[in-house]
Amino acid sequence: DTGVSQNPRHKITKRGQNVTFRCDPISEHNRLYWYRQTLGQGPEFLTYFQNEAQLEKSRLLSDRFSAERPKGSFSTLEIQRTEQGDSAMYLCASSTGQWEKLFFGSGTQLSVL
Amino acid sequence: DAKTTQPPSMDCAEGRAANLPCNHSTISGNEYVYWYRQIHSQGPQYIIHGLKNNETNEMASLIITEDRKSSTLILPHATLRDTAVYYCIVRGGLYSGGGADGLTFGKGTHLIIQP
Repeated sequence: DTGVSQNPRHKITKRGQNVTFRCDPISEHNRLYWYRQTLGQGPEFLTYFQNEAQLEKSRLLSDRFSAERPKGSFSTLEIQRTEQGDSAMYLCASSTGQWEKLFFGSGTQLSVL
Repeated sequence: DAKTTQPPSMDCAEGRAANLPCNHSTISGNEYVYWYRQIHSQGPQYIIHGLKNNETNEMASLIITEDRKSSTLILPHATLRDTAVYYCIVRGGLYSGGGADGLTFGKGTHLIIQP
């Protein structure tokens, strides 16, 4: 399968714990995006990368959220000191370049107890 | 903020054409209309996009009005697997300058195909 891969598919954690999600984009896609989706809502844009450079991070929800793409390939999204309100689906997408169509992964479903 | 308006839900009989409307009255000249759909528990899937001409691919047709203030996505022969939330998105194109090019999703239309 050469699509966007996200791991884990499901994550259950206790409030206050840190969690990290991984996204492997389609090979040679140099743009990578993170989104969050809560029940009944459309995906909400969080941040994106052009290769290893993070070009937009002002929409990350708080300073507890951070993302990296150290070698311009896979990316990680970390949430520190999780809160119940962080429970959501976290989606990753990739594209070949600016304004090209996005291909999405199946997401990581986070539940914070 | 989403720049589009869509009905929250629609029904369509299996085998019939599903016509999903979208209003985007504030669209600017260099912005494209994109359609994605999201089947339950999956990530959004690209369907089609267009600027001002009608477009067709193996999944659907996109009809954009001449004034570009609205569009319709047509699934010509809907099947049960087309049940999904359909998102209409306005997005800047090649000449729209810098800035984030991530998609801005609204709540979409929940299309239910009835057997």
